Amino acid sequence: QVQLQESGPGLVKPSETLSLTCSVSGGSISSDYWSWIRQPPGKGLEWIGYFHYSGRTNYNPSLQSRVTMSVDTSKNQFSLNLSSVTAADTAAYYCVRVGYSDISDWFDPWGPGTLVIVSS
Amino acid sequence: DIQMTQSPSSLSASVGDRVTITCRTSQSVSRFLNWYQQKPGKAPKLLIYAASSLQSGVPSRFSGSGSGTDFTLTISNLQPEDFASYYCQQSYTNTWTFGQGTRVEIK
Repeated sequence: QVQLQESGPGLVKPSETLSLTCSVSGGSISSDYWSWIRQPPGKGLEWIGYFHYSGRTNYNPSLQSRVTMSVDTSKNQFSLNLSSVTAADTAAYYCVRVGYSDISDWFDPWGPGTLVIVSS
Repeated sequence: DIQMTQSPSSLSASVGDRVTITCRTSQSVSRFLNWYQQKPGKAPKLLIYAASSLQSGVPSRFSGSGSGTDFTLTISNLQPEDFASYYCQQSYTNTWTFGQGTRVEIK
């Protein structure tokens, strides 16, 4: 079964770029869509965007100007870059696989998440 | 963007109770509606996809219904491990959104 694991710095300075990597095991990154979701402490979930290894992407308009997602098929990993971060970007970040059918798209499975704090 | 409104925001219930959580969308999402469970400190877990399809491995006491703008997640015979937060999510439009969550607490 597919398993995901996020990795990256837990502390990022304001105005810098947040960079996270998701390692995928038990399946090929080339066969599905993949997404990032975040959750500020004590708050709800926010979808950041999704991508396909072929290059198709779809980012949340609220973050689109600052987000880049990329893939490294040789390592079976994908990455998130979020530029010009502020304290509002402090959150747990989750990488997920996107499941889909004719009548819905859903997130499953999820990585355990990694907390990123933006602070000087 | 489609606005998602869950109700109630929180509820208290007892083991064995039947619990109903509602998700209303600001415009029709057909059946592009999913439900997730999240326990403290853990990642969310998919329960229901496409409004009413039970994800593999999820107990049958969980069920989903609805289409268009009104959806329901029902937990029959509430178990101790079901005390958690629940989120709906739509994938009908290009911008996918979540409801604000419903917290199910022990009475």
